[in-house]
Amino acid sequence: KAGVTQTPRYLIKTRGQQVTLSCSPISGHRSVSWYQQTPGQGLQFLFEYFSETQRNKGNFPGRFSGRQFSNSRSEMNVSTLELGDSALYLCASSLSVSGTSYEQYFGPGTRLTVT
Amino acid sequence: GENVEQHPSTLSVQEGDSAVIKCTYSDSASNYFPWYKQELGKRPQLIIDIRSNVGEKKDQRIAVTLNKTAKHFSLHITETQPEDSAVYFCAASNPNQGGKLIFGQGTELSVKP
Repeated sequence: KAGVTQTPRYLIKTRGQQVTLSCSPISGHRSVSWYQQTPGQGLQFLFEYFSETQRNKGNFPGRFSGRQFSNSRSEMNVSTLELGDSALYLCASSLSVSGTSYEQYFGPGTRLTVT
Repeated sequence: GENVEQHPSTLSVQEGDSAVIKCTYSDSASNYFPWYKQELGKRPQLIIDIRSNVGEKKDQRIAVTLNKTAKHFSLHITETQPEDSAVYFCAASNPNQGGKLIFGQGTELSVKP
């Protein structure tokens, strides 16, 4: 099976702009989670989508949003970019269903730089 | 709130020695504990995991132990090799929170030849 893919791999944006990142999960996986990775804060959970519904949300401001399509592909949007949003954004896919935790497999990430 | 503490933050060993990384979690409902290895510029890769109904799990040179009472779990790497050099992350998951993983801060392991 093909692994988790993310596009684009690199992005440079200016403060105040918005950005959309895309994640395609492993075939058959219906859960997609998003994480922000920075040197200072490590890996932090943003949100999770399962069957087109947001199932869980981390402690990030409302500028961070996402959605999932019927084919399980997910997008993440960040509006009004700030310098502190510069990070590696990782998505992970899983077979996860309610009441059970499953293995999560990560994509290569999108490196976002805000100038 | 939910938290996972990971120690040490850096670890340097000689090739052939063992390495141990320890994590403590706060959410007593957590029941799934994966470990990820992240090489420089690459994605985190799942190397081993353990569920709360098991006390220990081994896969070749890697083993993980879990103490539910103390709420801590550890990664053990034996006969370390230079290719084991990477950042290792532990994580914990509460089954009632779906795919949400709470990660430790990471341990940078350096294996010197």
